[in-house]
Amino acid sequence: EIVVTQSPGTLSLSPGERATLSCRASQSLSSDYVAWYQLKPGQAPRLLVYGASIRATGIPDRFSGRGSGTDFTLTISRLEPEDFAVYYCQQYGSSPPYTFGQGTKLQIK
Amino acid sequence: EVQLLESGGGLVQPGGSLRLSCAVSGFTFSNYAMNWVRQAPGMGLEWVSGMSGGDDSAFYADSVKGRFTISRDNSKNTLFLQMNRLRADDVAVYYCAKGIYRSWWSGGWFDAWGQGTLVTVSS
Repeated sequence: EIVVTQSPGTLSLSPGERATLSCRASQSLSSDYVAWYQLKPGQAPRLLVYGASIRATGIPDRFSGRGSGTDFTLTISRLEPEDFAVYYCQQYGSSPPYTFGQGTKLQIK
Repeated sequence: EVQLLESGGGLVQPGGSLRLSCAVSGFTFSNYAMNWVRQAPGMGLEWVSGMSGGDDSAFYADSVKGRFTISRDNSKNTLFLQMNRLRADDVAVYYCAKGIYRSWWSGGWFDAWGQGTLVTVSS
């Protein structure tokens, strides 16, 4: 089973700053099978990025993903107040196919 | 607009049963694999179970295998999760999530989720 590790566990930043969230897989992913989701309390999780770098429909361009192999990042270029949430990465390319990281909580500093 | 709406959560005693439902709209339900994902209090997301769109292929995490059963009624656009022998570590918000392929084995990300339903196991 591929283990997905996210860092940091908590990130404290101010609106307007840049956020960089990391996601590491325990084995190299043969393709860029990584997705990122945003979770807010009481809301449905929201797909942000798939294929490591492809923004989902309707996602603002301040969100960008990159990476390959075992290391992936999600960057939010200029934080808006609504971006403070918990973010999860997921690898979906191996068996079991749906392995999530433990999440990064992005909180207001 | 794609919508997923879970229901059926609640309080149940250890060893008890619950049946969750996920009613969907806005897409051709039978064409897509569907999944259940849960989030325990203070914990991350955990995939629980998945089912292909066109057949009865069903898959489970080891933590629920033999206790949970996923099913779907394509005529009613509804996904189910029958949960038996519930334990304290099953306490979580349960989300249904839409896959992007018809076959669960094709993998893929989840492009739509419901808002979740809370399952509490306590005596």
